[in-house]
Amino acid sequence: QKEVEQDPGPLSVPEGAIVSLNCTYSNSAFQYFMWYRQYSRKGPELLMYTYSSGNKEDGRFTAQVDKSSKYISLFIRDSQPSDSATYLCVPKRSGGSYIPTFGRGTSLIVHP
Amino acid sequence: NAGVTQTPKFRILKIGQSMTLQCTQDMNHNYMYWYRQDPGMGLKLIYYSVGAGITDKGEVPNGYNVSRSTTEDFPLRLELAAPSQTSVYFCASSPGETQYFGPGTRLLVL
Repeated sequence: QKEVEQDPGPLSVPEGAIVSLNCTYSNSAFQYFMWYRQYSRKGPELLMYTYSSGNKEDGRFTAQVDKSSKYISLFIRDSQPSDSATYLCVPKRSGGSYIPTFGRGTSLIVHP
Repeated sequence: NAGVTQTPKFRILKIGQSMTLQCTQDMNHNYMYWYRQDPGMGLKLIYYSVGAGITDKGEVPNGYNVSRSTTEDFPLRLELAAPSQTSVYFCASSPGETQYFGPGTRLLVL
């Protein structure tokens, strides 16, 4: 079983839709959970960062972590064509581990 | 504050040639990383460093070498380029949990 699993997509939605991007992980030692956004031919950029279970909201983006089921979600409200990108779910261990684990990411296409 | 910078942006190499990909960060981060990303695939870790003078192998280190003589710089060396090393290379730095990526170097080996 891979440490991080995401549906690669592509997920295609109309502008204005609510988008749900999901990720599962297998290692219960993961304590930090990041979402990165990667536009085509660009480096990934940090979008959201959470620690432990619960919700975190930032503008149109909400990150949700359920450690009991090892399930992570990113919700995008009022999606825009500029949100079209690949979204990478990245959990990381605590306590001196320096290597985050990258999934393949989910490709999102928001069409006008 | 430039963040993470990488040079060159694009390079074509012949099989067997050598080159160094440069990476510099101005955020005083201890941790630095090199990844490669093949088309349609995820990031694969090549090497990483937890501080000046300390480096370690990642998932796919064969064919590459690194050094970390200063906090700011983390160059990646390809000694004998092979077509399998055609990829996009990303450098990243981190203060702890989150990573900051450079714009990437696109390498084509023919």
